[in-house]
Amino acid sequence: DQQVKQNSPSLSVQEGRISILNCDYTNSMFDYFLWYKKYPAEGPTFLISISSIKDKNEDGRFTVFLNKSAKHLSLHIVPSQPGDSAVYFCAASVNFGNEKLTFGTGTRLTIIP
Amino acid sequence: DTGVSQDPRHKITKRGQNVTFRCDPISEHNRLYWYRQTLGQGPEFLTYFQNEAQLEKSRLLSDRFSAERPKGSFSTLEIQRTEQGDSAMYLCASRDTSSLEETQYFGPGTRLLVL
Repeated sequence: DQQVKQNSPSLSVQEGRISILNCDYTNSMFDYFLWYKKYPAEGPTFLISISSIKDKNEDGRFTVFLNKSAKHLSLHIVPSQPGDSAVYFCAASVNFGNEKLTFGTGTRLTIIP
Repeated sequence: DTGVSQDPRHKITKRGQNVTFRCDPISEHNRLYWYRQTLGQGPEFLTYFQNEAQLEKSRLLSDRFSAERPKGSFSTLEIQRTEQGDSAMYLCASRDTSSLEETQYFGPGTRLLVL
């Protein structure tokens, strides 16, 4: 039972353009959502998060949008840079991050110079 | 470096052997989590501690797995009688529940290969 889904295994974007990564979830109890970035042979690095009381959170080039009615969130990266090439994981938790994270399967983002 | 550290980074073992991994969380982080990541999947929750108390264990954590956090600081994860299916990246994360931050911070992981 995959409660957090990232349906695009890979995405290629031209440098300087916008990258949009998508994530869907099924558990309506999730109230906190995070995006992590992972390079090979390293642990996930936290990027940005959003709680269910908001619909948008912005941090520099990264913006996360949450659509609770559609149970959908997205990560926008603009402008995309070569160093953004990595695997991006969407994660969700119940009770505002106090408990375990449930991760999606990841999307590999490749930025084309 | 004040991040989460894990040791060893890599471990190769033969089927049937026991292995133990260590995680040192960020200082003062009272919550510590263990996850497992297999190829092509996202990390999957195994267990977590609030200080020295183990609060939840996933059904993924069979009887061969045991985790401890004896003094509420570092933690160990032991796998007894390893099987080839145990081959994975084992990730540790920590969090400070007393701060406004609700983010779990991950270590670099221990990659286990069971032959």
